[in-house]
Amino acid sequence: RKEVEQDPGPFNVPEGATVAFNCTYSNSASQSFFWYRQDCRKEPKLLMSVYSSGNEDGRFTAQLNRASQYISLLIRDSKLSDSATYLCAVPGTRALTFGSGTRLQVQP
Amino acid sequence: GAGVSQSPRYKVAKRGQDVALRCDPISGHVSLFWYQQALGQGPEFLTYFQNEAQLDKSGLPSDRFFAERPEGSVSTLKIQRTQQEDSAVYLCASSPGANYGYTFGSGTRLTVV
Repeated sequence: RKEVEQDPGPFNVPEGATVAFNCTYSNSASQSFFWYRQDCRKEPKLLMSVYSSGNEDGRFTAQLNRASQYISLLIRDSKLSDSATYLCAVPGTRALTFGSGTRLQVQP
Repeated sequence: GAGVSQSPRYKVAKRGQDVALRCDPISGHVSLFWYQQALGQGPEFLTYFQNEAQLDKSGLPSDRFFAERPEGSVSTLKIQRTQQEDSAVYLCASSPGANYGYTFGSGTRLTVV
């Protein structure tokens, strides 16, 4: 099993929809997790941190399920500008391990 | 500076040529990371510095790859005798310390022809 796994998508959703992505991890000792957003040909940018049971920031909610070893990202009221690739990151021995990303395409 | 700065933004190298990629992290960030990102993939870890000490270089794909951060600030990733499979985006990131998210630079897109 890979350390961090994500469904590559793409997720094609209409504007205003609610969409959720999952990210599974294999290192059960992880204490903090992150979601990054990456636009085409740009660098990843930190979207949210998830340190305990979850985190909410406006339309974005991140949840952690330790028992099942996954984190999720929920986006409500999707905007065209949310179209991007969403990467999850899990602490490894020395550095963050990234998933391959889930591509989201919000359509008008 | 305000963000992580990387140069050059693009580099085209002939196979066999040596290249040097530069990273200037956020001032005061002790941790510096290099990642390699292939098209359609997530960033893959290469190496990690805490100040000037290289604490992990387990992700470097071969002994042609070498990184340094001699004064604990600017870092250089050097690739000797480049091969076509080295073509990728090389991302540098810095962070204030453990349990913090990383700030990435814009990356260097290396194309080996």
